[in-house]
Amino acid sequence: DQQVKQNSPSLSVQEGRISILNCDYTNSMFDYFLWYKKYPAEGPTFLISISSIKDKNEDGRFTVFLNKSAKHLSLHIVPSQPGDSAVYFCAPGGTSYGKLTFGQGTILTVHP
Amino acid sequence: DTGVSQDPRHKITKRGQNVTFRCDPISEHNRLYWYRQTLGQGPEFLTYFQNEAQLEKSRLLSDRFSAERPKGSFSTLEIQRTEQGDSAMYLCASSLSGPTNYGYTFGSGTRLTVV
Repeated sequence: DQQVKQNSPSLSVQEGRISILNCDYTNSMFDYFLWYKKYPAEGPTFLISISSIKDKNEDGRFTVFLNKSAKHLSLHIVPSQPGDSAVYFCAPGGTSYGKLTFGQGTILTVHP
Repeated sequence: DTGVSQDPRHKITKRGQNVTFRCDPISEHNRLYWYRQTLGQGPEFLTYFQNEAQLEKSRLLSDRFSAERPKGSFSTLEIQRTEQGDSAMYLCASSLSGPTNYGYTFGSGTRLTVV
């Protein structure tokens, strides 16, 4: 029962261009959605989040979009930098849940 | 506060042996979570505590796994009679009550290899 899917295992972009990472979910009870970034040999680090009452949240170069009707969210990184190269996980949660549910992750590689 | 600490960072054990991992959360965080991550997958939820009470356990957590948080501070995760399928990264995280838009703070994990 995969409630959260990130269908692109990897993404490669050129420095300065836009990176778009996608996430689909099935559970209608999720009411906030987080993105985490992970480097090798480190734990995941919180990046940005959005609640279900919004459709967009922006923080610097990072913007998350939420389409509740489609149960889809995306993370945009503009402009992409080589230091953004990492694994990105989407992780929805809900006020009725005590935990976050993680997708499988997308490996982002930003080439100089 | 130095964040969430996990010990050891790496553990190699023979199949059938017992292992125990420790997690020290951020001191003011009352929730503590254990996740497991295998290669190519996202972190999978195992269990979580609010203070010393274990509020939820995943069905992934077989009877060989047990977690404790005796005084509502640090937590231990024990795996008895380890199997090769237990090889994974075990991640601990902490947060204030209830998932918030600020998410959890994760430790660097304990990598377990069962040989």
